[in-house]
Amino acid sequence: SQQGEEDPQALSIQEGENATMNCSYKTSINNLQWYRQNSGRGLVHLILIRSNEREKHSGRLRVTLDTSKKSSSLLITASRAADTASYFCATDSPTGGSYIPTFGRGTSLIVHP
Amino acid sequence: DGGITQSPKYLFRKEGQNVTLSCEQNLNHDAMYWYRQDPGQGLRLIYYSQIVNDFQKGDIAEGYSVSREKKESFPLTVTSAQKNPTAFYLCASKADRDSVYSNQPQHFGDGTRLSIL
Repeated sequence: SQQGEEDPQALSIQEGENATMNCSYKTSINNLQWYRQNSGRGLVHLILIRSNEREKHSGRLRVTLDTSKKSSSLLITASRAADTASYFCATDSPTGGSYIPTFGRGTSLIVHP
Repeated sequence: DGGITQSPKYLFRKEGQNVTLSCEQNLNHDAMYWYRQDPGQGLRLIYYSQIVNDFQKGDIAEGYSVSREKKESFPLTVTSAQKNPTAFYLCASKADRDSVYSNQPQHFGDGTRLSIL
C-alpha cells in the first residue's frame, strides 16, 4: 500500500521559476523523506525531515512538514534545466512492527531552458 | 567509493525461466530492500531484510524470492510464477534497522530493467 501521494503528478515550468510539490500521507510517521530520480536511474536522497521538525533547508531546496494536516511540501527555488526529474516522498510509518519506507507515485518535473 | 551495485543493467527472461538480479552494497548497511517500479505506480516493496539470514515479504512478494546469506548481498529471484515481470527493479539499503528510532535515508542502486522475450 502506498502511504504518500504527491501532487501534482506532473509539473512543467521555465528555468528560473520556483517549483512546488506536495505530499500527503495517511498515518502517523517517524519521518518523511524526499528523493529525486533521473530517468532510468536509481533514487537519490534529497532531504529527511523528522516528525518533530516543521521546516528544513538544503541549498535551493526547502521542505516543510505539517503533521496536523499530514502533508509536506518540497520547494525548489530558481529552478534549472538540470532539475528535470521525478521527485518522490517517502514516509517511515509503522508496518507490522517495523518502520518501512513507503513511497508515493511521484511528481514528474520538467524545467524548460 | 561506497555504494550499491545492481547487475545486470538490462535482463531478458524467457517464458518459464527463473532469473536472478544481483544487489551488492559496501556501505556496511544492516537493512536492504527490493522495490519494483512500473510507470505511474511509484515504488512497490517486494521484500526487505533487516539482518543476515532474515527477510520479510513486502506488498507484492508473490512470484519472487530472496536470500540474505551475507550482509552485503541481497539477490532477488524472479520466478516463472511471476506472470508480469516486466518492470524496473530497484535495490536499496539503509544504515540501521527500521525502527521508531531510525532516521536514516535509503541509498539506491541504479536499477535493473527486466523484460520478457
